Amino acid sequence: SYELTQPPSVSVSPGQRASIPCSGDKLGDKFVAWYQQKPGQSPVLVIYQDTKRPSGIPERFSGSNSGNTATLTISGTQAMDEADYFCQAWDSSTASPSWGFGGGTKLTVL
Amino acid sequence: EVQLVESGGGLVQPGRSLRLSCEASGFKFDDYAMNWVRQAPGKGLEWVAGISKSSGNRGYPESLKGRFTISRDNAKNTLYLQMSSLRLEDTALYYCAREGFFRDFDHWGRGTLVTVSS
Repeated sequence: SYELTQPPSVSVSPGQRASIPCSGDKLGDKFVAWYQQKPGQSPVLVIYQDTKRPSGIPERFSGSNSGNTATLTISGTQAMDEADYFCQAWDSSTASPSWGFGGGTKLTVL
Repeated sequence: EVQLVESGGGLVQPGRSLRLSCEASGFKFDDYAMNWVRQAPGKGLEWVAGISKSSGNRGYPESLKGRFTISRDNAKNTLYLQMSSLRLEDTALYYCAREGFFRDFDHWGRGTLVTVSS
C-alpha cells in the first residue's frame, strides 16, 4: 500500500490554529482525504479532494496539498476538535492500485 | 440517511474462516463502489478491500491477496467480506465504507469486531 507519514501527536491551545502534516511520494499529484476519529466512534470525513469540506463540517477545517505534503488546518481550534486525524490517498501508479492511510495524529487541545 | 450496518464478527480460531456482511440503506447501493477498512486495537486505519459498483473490479492490498475476498449483492444492498486462513494479526474492528466520487470514503459503519485467538 501507498505509504503516508504523519506525526504521532500535535498539541494546540484553544482558539489557536492547528496544522497536521501528511507526507508521501508525489502526494501533490493525488487527491487527499482527511478523517476525524473520536474515541469509540467511527471515522468521519472532514476533507476530500484536498480542500473540500463535506456538508456539516465546520468552516474552521481546511486542507492543502502540494509537492510531497498535504496539510489539515483547523483554525480557531475548539475542545471538541480533540481527536485522532488520518490522511488518505489513492495510489494508481503501481500494478495494484490501492489506498494508503497515514498512521494518524492525535490532536490534543490544551 | 445513509446507514451501513456491519455484522458477522466474533471470536474465531487461527486458520479458520469468517464472513462479514454490511447492509446498506438510505442510498442507491448500486451507484457506489464500496470498501472494507480495518483498525486493530489502538492502531490506525488499514484498507482491506474494495469493489466497484457492478463487481467488475476488486482490489486488495498485496499483504491480503489470496486470503480475503470482497463481494456484493446489489439486489440485497449488501456487501460481504470472506476471510480465510485467519491469523492473530487479523484481529481488528472491520468497517464498511462507501466510496465517494473523489476516492474518499464518505460514510462509514460502526464496525464489527473480529478476534482471532486460540
